[in-house]
Amino acid sequence: AQSVTQLDSQVPVFEEAPVELRCNYSSSVSVYLFWYVQYPNQGLQLLLKYLSGSTLVKSINGFEAEFNKSQTSFHLRKPSVHISDTAEYFCAVRMILTGGGNKLTFGTGTQLKVEL
Amino acid sequence: EAGVTQSPTHLIKTRGQQVTLRCSPISGHTSVYWYQQALGLGLQFLLWYDEGEERNRGNFPPRFSGRQFPNYSSELNVNALELEDSALYLCASSSDRRTENFGDGTRLSIL
Repeated sequence: AQSVTQLDSQVPVFEEAPVELRCNYSSSVSVYLFWYVQYPNQGLQLLLKYLSGSTLVKSINGFEAEFNKSQTSFHLRKPSVHISDTAEYFCAVRMILTGGGNKLTFGTGTQLKVEL
Repeated sequence: EAGVTQSPTHLIKTRGQQVTLRCSPISGHTSVYWYQQALGLGLQFLLWYDEGEERNRGNFPPRFSGRQFPNYSSELNVNALELEDSALYLCASSSDRRTENFGDGTRLSIL
């Protein structure tokens, strides 16, 4: 079984300030890791993912996350946030199993609110 | 490339009724997943279909069911609707069983 913990339910931050959204997971096997973003009244958009290779992954809009196997973490960071980054962010894991396709397990989400 | 499309976008039903939600995956994607996002309960896995077969099922009662068609589109059926079934139902598709792309969901309200 696997589980995901997002300790911060809400993170307020001023525009142009840096932000970190924390994600820790537990799993009995290796995992794939994901961050999804959800804007109001919309579905989930994939922000970035770690499948293999470099432990630092980046999105096209300035977010990055680093897979830390020893600390079982996948924290999301952005050096300078914009008003448009206001949304709910979900961390998710998928166990790596033969045949693939195992379900995504989500954290409870972190509401990022960027203020002027 | 068209993304995952879901219909309808909104639905209002009463207790005891039945509902069918529809999902069209991204072209070339053979796997379809269904998730429920209910207030206070977060995102919960419902069902996974691949190549027309049900491959995995979440911890939901049997009145939640579905199917996948030869063109890989999918339906989610919920019978005997209860108030707690009010939620956003999200469909996702995948071509590699690793990464999922989500639709905008169907918001189901039970009165």
